[in-house]
Amino acid sequence: SQQGEEDPQALSIQEGENATMNCSYKTSINNLQWYRQNSGRGLVHLILIRSNEREKHSGRLRVTLDTSKKSSSLLITASRAADTASYFCGDKIIFGKGTRLHILP
Amino acid sequence: GAGVSQTPSNKVTEKGKYVELRCDPISGHTALYWYRQSLGQGPEFLIYFQGTGAADDSGLPNDRFFAVRPEGSVSTLKIQRTERGDSAVYLCASSARENTEAFFGQGTRLTVV
Repeated sequence: SQQGEEDPQALSIQEGENATMNCSYKTSINNLQWYRQNSGRGLVHLILIRSNEREKHSGRLRVTLDTSKKSSSLLITASRAADTASYFCGDKIIFGKGTRLHILP
Repeated sequence: GAGVSQTPSNKVTEKGKYVELRCDPISGHTALYWYRQSLGQGPEFLIYFQGTGAADDSGLPNDRFFAVRPEGSVSTLKIQRTERGDSAVYLCASSARENTEAFFGQGTRLTVV
């Protein structure tokens, strides 16, 4: 059974715009990781936020975590064509089917 | 190598056969995870090892699936009496310890015909 989900399921934006995707989960977590996946193969770790953190930045990425609402968001600023991928969140368990992000030239 | 290595990268097998999928984690990583991913779906958690022991095998779908990590490094996922529904990409990940950054291999694409 699904332990959470990302939304939106799909997102298309123009290059240079910001992309925001959300993650909701049902279980308790120690930390939350966001991943990117290209072409249905291995996931690439993007950023880890611990349960006692509320916000974290890494380059063009900004992640927030609200443990009371069991939700997290990933913001990608100044998007690039190379950001086109599927994005997932989770800890040990990967939540949901991911958000498919498409950056339009 | 520096990353997580999975072999084979592709495996085609006949229904009913036995298969083994191998994962070489990053050296020194004590935590190892197996997932499977079907087309259009997120990775489905199967099993998590901490060292040699399976700390959480709650994701294994049935008793045809089994995984081992006898020396706390390489892990093998074993599937008996394969079914067409087992066709998926099987992903392995490792992390230095629990609750730290996880690194994924490129997966093994299993096709049961």
